[in-house]
Amino acid sequence: GAGVSQTPSNKVTEKGKYVELRCDPISGHTALYWYRQSLGQGPEFLIYFQGTGAADDSGLPNDRFFAVRPEGSVSTLKIQRTERGDSAVYLCASSLKALAGTNEQFFGPGTRLTVL
Amino acid sequence: RKEVEQDPGPFNVPEGATVAFNCTYSNSASQSFFWYRQDCRKEPKLLMSVYSSGNEDGRFTAQLNRASQYISLLIRDSKLSDSATYLCVVNSGGYQKVTFGTGTKLQVIP
Repeated sequence: GAGVSQTPSNKVTEKGKYVELRCDPISGHTALYWYRQSLGQGPEFLIYFQGTGAADDSGLPNDRFFAVRPEGSVSTLKIQRTERGDSAVYLCASSLKALAGTNEQFFGPGTRLTVL
Repeated sequence: RKEVEQDPGPFNVPEGATVAFNCTYSNSASQSFFWYRQDCRKEPKLLMSVYSSGNEDGRFTAQLNRASQYISLLIRDSKLSDSATYLCVVNSGGYQKVTFGTGTKLQVIP
């Protein structure tokens, strides 16, 4: 079946601009995560959705970052007034509402964001 | 102290060698542990979960030491295709939030 998809695959923008990154999770997965990965680092947690609600947004670095998942499926990560330090690969993952100990997350291919 | 710590490597090993990676975690309440594999410029993929009793999947063995708060991954008979970054992942809350280590890079040399 189809995996997690993310669009666009690459995004180049200028400092100060607004960007939206989209994630389409695996059908039926109620949990959705956004991560940010910089070169040489592991994925850094940003936000987690269970259904439509953000269960934990403690990883969002500041109020320029916002994410929504209005119908409990597709999610959009929104970044306002982009800065050069926002350049990274943004990864989305989804998982079933897992039984204990079976929290496998399935990742999308990521969106590579470059802020000039 | 970082929540999850790994030696970034790189580990350069010849084909057929046995190699082991360790990962330490700081939150003693952590309950779930995983190893993910990430190929260059690709997304992470689950390699194996780590169970308290230890578990094996072919050439891969994972172990958990709760007392010392570390997990390990052993790869036997290394193949060229094992070359990748191995990410240690630890559940850091009561639900599904996890924390990734920085990853350990493995290069298997012919």
